Amino acid sequence: NAGVTQTPKFQVLKTGQSMTLQCAQDMNHEYMSWYRQDPGMGLRLIHYSVGAGITDQGEVPNGYNVSRSTTEDFPLRLLSAAPSQTSVYFCASSYSIGASRTEAFFGQGTRLTVV
Amino acid sequence: KNEVEQSPQNLTAQEGEFITINCSYSVGISALHWLQQHPGGGIVSLFMLSSGKKKHGRLIATINIQEKHSSLHITASHPRDSAVYICAVRYNNNDMRFGAGTRLTVKP
Repeated sequence: NAGVTQTPKFQVLKTGQSMTLQCAQDMNHEYMSWYRQDPGMGLRLIHYSVGAGITDQGEVPNGYNVSRSTTEDFPLRLLSAAPSQTSVYFCASSYSIGASRTEAFFGQGTRLTVV
Repeated sequence: KNEVEQSPQNLTAQEGEFITINCSYSVGISALHWLQQHPGGGIVSLFMLSSGKKKHGRLIATINIQEKHSSLHITASHPRDSAVYICAVRYNNNDMRFGAGTRLTVKP
């Protein structure tokens, strides 16, 4: 099982450049989410999706766009990178059983540096 | 003030000791997650709780909805348990907030 696959693992961008962080899962999970992790700040939710065609903002959505055209993929787009977006990014997915949601499965993370 | 408070921030234990990590939150939630982040950075979900207690091996997680409090216990701790343990709450709208994490070091 591939689980949750994030690419790339490392990326260096110049200020103002754009890029897309890819996230794919092969478990048919309806819930997918993106987080950033910064020293001293812990994990923070950027955007999430409860199914194809549905996305919503988390705690820190500014500067990021997402779309969910398929169940499997949930890309995160940085339209104009800023040094404040230097962080480690994690993607996760989970599914529901009845009214509750299962434990989440996390990708390996993307270390992004914006210079 | 963080919506999710964890304690302690850092914890050092001797192998074999019983470990408790606490998590408190301020508003009603639909579920609470405990995560483990390894020294290499990978994150593993340990538990998802909406009530009561769950056990997996040497790990036990409890939640008290009325008191807005959860605990993660590790029995017979081992050096391989050394990691950062993170509490996360999920709200009814699926938004999530995270605690700052507890760094656990278990010495042989």
